[in-house]
Amino acid sequence: QVQLQESGPGLVKPSQTLSLTCTVSGGSISSGGYYWSWIRQHPGKGLEWIGYIYYSGSTYYNPSLKSRVTISVDTSKNQFSLKLSSVTAADTAVYYCARDIRYSSSTWFDPWGQGTLVTVSS
Amino acid sequence: QSALTQPASVSGSPGQSITISCTGTSSDVGSYNLVSWYQQHPGKAPKLMIYEGSKRPSGVSNRFSGSKSGNTASLTISGLQAEDEADYYCCSYAGSDVVFGGGTKLTVL
Repeated sequence: QVQLQESGPGLVKPSQTLSLTCTVSGGSISSGGYYWSWIRQHPGKGLEWIGYIYYSGSTYYNPSLKSRVTISVDTSKNQFSLKLSSVTAADTAVYYCARDIRYSSSTWFDPWGQGTLVTVSS
Repeated sequence: QSALTQPASVSGSPGQSITISCTGTSSDVGSYNLVSWYQQHPGKAPKLMIYEGSKRPSGVSNRFSGSKSGNTASLTISGLQAEDEADYYCCSYAGSDVVFGGGTKLTVL
């Protein structure tokens, strides 16, 4: 079964770039048919979708974050990555990667990685 | 896109049924009969419980069911069990965008 695991620094300084990687096991990103998303959850708050990437490199970002987000894919490593630039304390959150299933104007996320807490602080 | 509206909290006793609502607009929930629902226990990642409005993934109890009327989707949990106590989130497709509800804390009394 497919499993996802996030990795990256847990502490980022304000104005710097947050970088996370999601490693997929049990399935190949390049097999197609699925999108791969990043979702975050501010402490004690709800979920916020950040964006997705397809194995071809096609991306779509949440308009509210679009100017600061870049999602990329490395099919040779079966990984996809998130970069969020010019971070502030408001970007402190648990970041999840998830397989994004899109079918007939529908979308759902399954499975999810365990999540990684990223704190923005000097 | 604005977040979908869910009640902050609901509660029920073991064995009872509860329903969590998720209200959107004609641009999301109303246009697409395809809301998904997630269960999240403290400190854990969300788990898919319902997709395409009413379908259950393999392994999810049939005590969980989903429905929709107009711009409001609903998650019903029947035969409440202590393990159902968690946060629940709805999620809707909205064009290429995705919008989540604010979450509902379910307390099993």
